Amino acid sequence: NAGVMQNPRHLVRRRGQEARLRCSPMKGHSHVYWYRQLPEEGLKFMVYLQKENIIDESGMPKERFSAEFPKEGPSILRIQQVVRGDSAAYFCASSPAGTGYHEQYFGPGTRLTVT
Amino acid sequence: KQEVTQIPAALSVPEGENLVLNCSFTDSAIYNLQWFRQDPGKGLTSLLLIQSSQREQTSGRLNASLDKSSGRSTLYIAASQPGDSATYLCAVRQETSGSRLTFGEGTQLTVNP
Repeated sequence: NAGVMQNPRHLVRRRGQEARLRCSPMKGHSHVYWYRQLPEEGLKFMVYLQKENIIDESGMPKERFSAEFPKEGPSILRIQQVVRGDSAAYFCASSPAGTGYHEQYFGPGTRLTVT
Repeated sequence: KQEVTQIPAALSVPEGENLVLNCSFTDSAIYNLQWFRQDPGKGLTSLLLIQSSQREQTSGRLNASLDKSSGRSTLYIAASQPGDSATYLCAVRQETSGSRLTFGEGTQLTVNP
């Protein structure tokens, strides 16, 4: 059973470009979470999605950031018009259900660098 | 708002030493607590998951305890090895915040040969 997959592993974008980060959950998992780790900071929750639904986006910046988890295919975290402050490691996690007792399994992360 | 604190921020020990990492959280209404390991530039490896009804979990040389009422957890590493060098993160899953994990800032551990 393959783990959580994220791609690309490294992404370089110039200021003003768009960044698309993809996350494929573990087989059988229908719940996806995105976290961001800024340089020298801890991981912060961004958004929680189920298939075709955003359940909790309270950690997402109000502008330029969006996330989706379509019926088919990976979850996508999209950052429009990137700025240098968006440079960070973005981690995706998945779980088989959204109830609190289930463990979240993390992917290897995507490291975004904005030049 | 849940806050998770890890002490110490950094720790350097000689090989073979037993050590304890500390994690505290402000809101005791949690589902569970997880300890992770993160190597530089890498992802998170889950080490131990303790449900709120449990007191401790063990895996090999690792033992994690949970005192939910006092908002504390410890990760005990026995007979430390240089390969244990990494950043250790604890995270809690809170009953009132849905499904998010709230992370501490981590303890950076260096085990010297």
